Amino acid sequence: GQQVMQIPQYQHVQEGEDFTTYCNSSTTLSNIQWYKQRPGGHPVFLIQLVKSGEVKKQKRLTFQFGEAKKNSSLHITATQTTDVGTYFCAVQTGANNLFFGTGTRLTVIP
Amino acid sequence: SAVISQKPSRDICQRGTSLTIQCQVDSQVTMMFWYRQQPGQSLTLIATANQGSEATYESGFVIDKFPISRPNLTFSTLTVSNMSPEDSSIYLCSAELGQGTGELFFGEGSRLTVL
Repeated sequence: GQQVMQIPQYQHVQEGEDFTTYCNSSTTLSNIQWYKQRPGGHPVFLIQLVKSGEVKKQKRLTFQFGEAKKNSSLHITATQTTDVGTYFCAVQTGANNLFFGTGTRLTVIP
Repeated sequence: SAVISQKPSRDICQRGTSLTIQCQVDSQVTMMFWYRQQPGQSLTLIATANQGSEATYESGFVIDKFPISRPNLTFSTLTVSNMSPEDSSIYLCSAELGQGTGELFFGEGSRLTVL
């Protein structure tokens, strides 16, 4: 079955530091999505990447899809306390079901 | 954006009992999905709820344990049957709006604690 691993599992940063989470798949992906889940909340869609080597930016967030379409990364520049939460990558199978990665829990220390 | 309502938001249940979670979407959607999220863990897909047909279950999940209904294009239920403490989890309903983006919207989740 689909295996999607994320590293690191946890990350603690000082406010203002950068943060990166990586998502690695055992198979070539058609696309990849990223979600954020605040503590006590539900996952919220951030972005979808489709093209090989694609880079998308949302303010301080930069998303990248690997050339081989097997990995992806999410980079946050100058973290803020509002960035706290767990970041999940998610991939679709041929049946259009969405499988979530293991997640990276980000803690931002003020 | 779609609004997805789930109820109950939380419940404490006795071992051996069953609980039905309801999910209402404010627009018609083709597919609805039920996920489980155990404490501190990622989301695991339980099944896809298809309107007019039986749900499609993922490996490790069976209909007898997690019966699902999908009577129309805006509503679905998930029942957790014969509960044990291992079923303590957050159960999340989700749906895609059908705009081709693949984006999933989630309900607020139902937190079940089984004693």
